[in-house]
Amino acid sequence: GAVVSQHPSWVICKSGTSVKIECRSLDFQATTMFWYRQFPKQSLMLMATSNEGSKATYEQGVEKDKFLINHASLTLSTLTVTSAHPEDSSFYICSAGTGGFTDTQYFGPGTRLTVL
Amino acid sequence: KQEVTQIPAALSVPEGENLVLNCSFTDSAIYNLQWFRQDPGKGLTSLLLIQSSQREQTSGRLNASLDKSSGRSTLYIAASQPGDSATYLCAVSSAGFQKLVFGTGTRLLVSP
Repeated sequence: GAVVSQHPSWVICKSGTSVKIECRSLDFQATTMFWYRQFPKQSLMLMATSNEGSKATYEQGVEKDKFLINHASLTLSTLTVTSAHPEDSSFYICSAGTGGFTDTQYFGPGTRLTVL
Repeated sequence: KQEVTQIPAALSVPEGENLVLNCSFTDSAIYNLQWFRQDPGKGLTSLLLIQSSQREQTSGRLNASLDKSSGRSTLYIAASQPGDSATYLCAVSSAGFQKLVFGTGTRLLVSP
């Protein structure tokens, strides 16, 4: 089956630093990747949708200058949390799909970000 | 704006029981509905996907139904096992292809 990986699986950083999270589709080409955020005991909230070679589309309330998304190839999307603060601590999950109305999204294992 | 709600929020049952998890959504104009499983601190595992034209899908001990007009879906788990303990999330795809709106989740605990 389709596999999506994320790196790192967890990261701890100091407040004010930037953190980059990678999302890779290992055995298929992903025209679209999605980034979600999940706070403890809450559901997943879509942050942004990225299409290969174009700018990401951010959901309402998500700061595009703080959460930089790059989808440079059909197998890699990155999320950079800039000037991270403790309130950015969360579980970040990406998903990838090949496109189309009936296509399935394949989810990565998630990245736990803790900002001190 | 699509909103997805799941009831109950938490459920604790003894091993062997059949159980039903509920999911409701406010906008019936969906493309599909999916049920996922999430273990603590982990990503999502897709369990079942029901297209908007379908009424139900089955996989092993799992059966999911969809009543699009009433905005409801149920996930039926037969003969529950301790290994079924996890959080179950439903998600609907609407407002553009593949954009998923997730429900609030049901935390299931199956005790031996």
